[in-house]
Amino acid sequence: EDQVTQSPEALRLQEGESSSLNCSYTVSGLRGLFWYRQDPGKGPEFLFTLYSAGEEKEKERLKATLTKKESFLHITAPKPEDSATYLCAVQPGPNKLSFGAGTTVTVRA
Amino acid sequence: SQTIHQWPATLVQPVGSPLSLECTVEGTSNPNLYWYRQAAGRGLQLLFYSVGIGQISSEVPQNLSASRPQDRQFILSSKKLLLSDSGFYLCAWGSAYEQYFGPGTRLTVT
Repeated sequence: EDQVTQSPEALRLQEGESSSLNCSYTVSGLRGLFWYRQDPGKGPEFLFTLYSAGEEKEKERLKATLTKKESFLHITAPKPEDSATYLCAVQPGPNKLSFGAGTTVTVRA
Repeated sequence: SQTIHQWPATLVQPVGSPLSLECTVEGTSNPNLYWYRQAAGRGLQLLFYSVGIGQISSEVPQNLSASRPQDRQFILSSKKLLLSDSGFYLCAWGSAYEQYFGPGTRLTVT
């Protein structure tokens, strides 16, 4: 069964303190690894898609990387506005995504 | 540009009552549409998806159903709500590669 596990569940950072979030996955035939950001009380917002091991994508202070078994979301010098829940997902079949439970990041000024 | 609407934003319903949540998309034709539920502290659970009018795929057997009466309209329904149906319901459009989510409906079943 396809599975996505994210760690840690919660991460509290000081502004400027870089850190990484982990997403480990088991899926038969990876069609893509996806990262979303979700603010409280809102729908998730698409961030990145990674397709193959070794691939990296960047957006502002965020960088996503992918290996054969896991993906990392690196947050460099975070700001309070980076506080959110970050979700990763894989595609277990055509037209659908399977999401992890997310990592809630809190950045204090 | 594309816009996705959901209503109502919040809903409090008693156990055993019916449910109807509506989602509409503007600015795109024949989109794939999705219904997700997010329980407190948990990830998104895919409930239904649709690749066209009248075409519904169910991912989780339960007391919910979905319908797509028009190209850009997706409806989530229940005849009798359970306490376990409480959660944050999200509609999305797009593909498995990139999905765009609506603002969500917070449902509390009492």
